Amino acid sequence: RKEVEQDPGPFNVPEGATVAFNCTYSNSASQSFFWYRQDCRKEPKLLMSVYSSGNEDGRFTAQLNRASQYISLLIRDSKLSDSATYLCVVNGDGGSQGNLIFGKGTKLSVKP
Amino acid sequence: DGGITQSPKYLFRKEGQNVTLSCEQNLNHDAMYWYRQDPGQGLRLIYYSQIVNDFQKGDIAEGYSVSREKKESFPLTVTSAQKNPTAFYLCASNWEAGGPSEQFFGPGTRLTVL
Repeated sequence: RKEVEQDPGPFNVPEGATVAFNCTYSNSASQSFFWYRQDCRKEPKLLMSVYSSGNEDGRFTAQLNRASQYISLLIRDSKLSDSATYLCVVNGDGGSQGNLIFGKGTKLSVKP
Repeated sequence: DGGITQSPKYLFRKEGQNVTLSCEQNLNHDAMYWYRQDPGQGLRLIYYSQIVNDFQKGDIAEGYSVSREKKESFPLTVTSAQKNPTAFYLCASNWEAGGPSEQFFGPGTRLTVL
């Protein structure tokens, strides 16, 4: 079965710290990669797409390593508001390339 | 404002009853999806629809049914055949039917079976 795997955490870090999450995926044919953020008892929201060349959005940097089939998310200068669960998402195969496979998420807790 | 709405936010059901969860989007998205999330678990795909009047089973379709009579609406019925229906149900949509674009989620419905 095609899967997306993440370390569930929790990652407990102080404010201002840099924290990195990794995610591995099993489908070498996957073409689309995303990081979503999910707050407690809320819906997932797109944090950023992950491009082959890597991309940065403020304090967040995403990297893709196709050869090793993993994706990373780096958060610099952590804020209390970054506390959430981060979901790694990859498109799967099967009947539709549009179907996304969600990892179980990595929980981040930023402490004062 | 464009977006996806789900109702109700909380739903309580007695065992043996069918219940229908609403999902509406005004984003003009082609594809719509239903997921289930259990505590500490990832999202699991129940059903999806890429076009009006067509839908496909996801990974855990047993005990659920859907319809797609209008582009903007994709209701999910949780039937009495679903053995463990208590969960957080999320509806999502995206632009490209069958395309690997990001999905946008509604706020979810929490279903509890009493």
